[in-house]
Amino acid sequence: DADVTQTPRNRITKTGKRIMLECSQTKGHDRMYWYRQDPGLGLRLIYYSFDVKDINKGEISDGYSVSRQAQAKFSLSLESAIPNQTALYFCATSVDGNTIYFGEGSWLTVV
Amino acid sequence: QKEVEQNSGPLSVPEGAIASLNCTYSDRGSQSFFWYRQYSGKSPELIMFIYSNGDKEDGRFTAQLNKASQYVSLLIRDSQPSDSATYLCAALHSGNTPLVFGKGTRLSVIA
Repeated sequence: DADVTQTPRNRITKTGKRIMLECSQTKGHDRMYWYRQDPGLGLRLIYYSFDVKDINKGEISDGYSVSRQAQAKFSLSLESAIPNQTALYFCATSVDGNTIYFGEGSWLTVV
Repeated sequence: QKEVEQNSGPLSVPEGAIASLNCTYSDRGSQSFFWYRQYSGKSPELIMFIYSNGDKEDGRFTAQLNKASQYVSLLIRDSQPSDSATYLCAALHSGNTPLVFGKGTRLSVIA
């Protein structure tokens, strides 16, 4: 089993719908991150959390929200999805902010 | 704004040659630097990290850091077709800030 698990792996949703991407990890890391990746734009940080009580906005947080339900769980929500949120989303963890371990990614298409 | 710059490529090299991937960073306070490899549609995986000026070797990979020039590079010796991927450079200012990623360089090793 993967150390960082993302669900769903693929999702097609309609404009205006709410969607949640879930991430769970078995690495015991305190730090968790959500990134999105678009062709030509690289990895961009959406939100990050250094522990259960800590949530920080990243570079592109508008239109997204997160919840850190437990040390092992960090979910990303799109309250009202729009087509330009179509992207590959990665959850990641780290023990100290140095080496980051990525999940397998969630492909989201908003039509 | 902290930035990490990479040439998007594609960089094409023949099998067996040395591939040289370059990266510059804007934040002079960056302490640690990381190279990730990402195959198409997959998650990034860490290849190497470097903290100190100079070279660091790991198998066919050598990372080079020049903090005065704010320059990081990754050399891949004896390049193989399986090395064809996108290589992401990342910089870390401190453990309390998230990694800043470049947009990646696409490497193509031609058999």
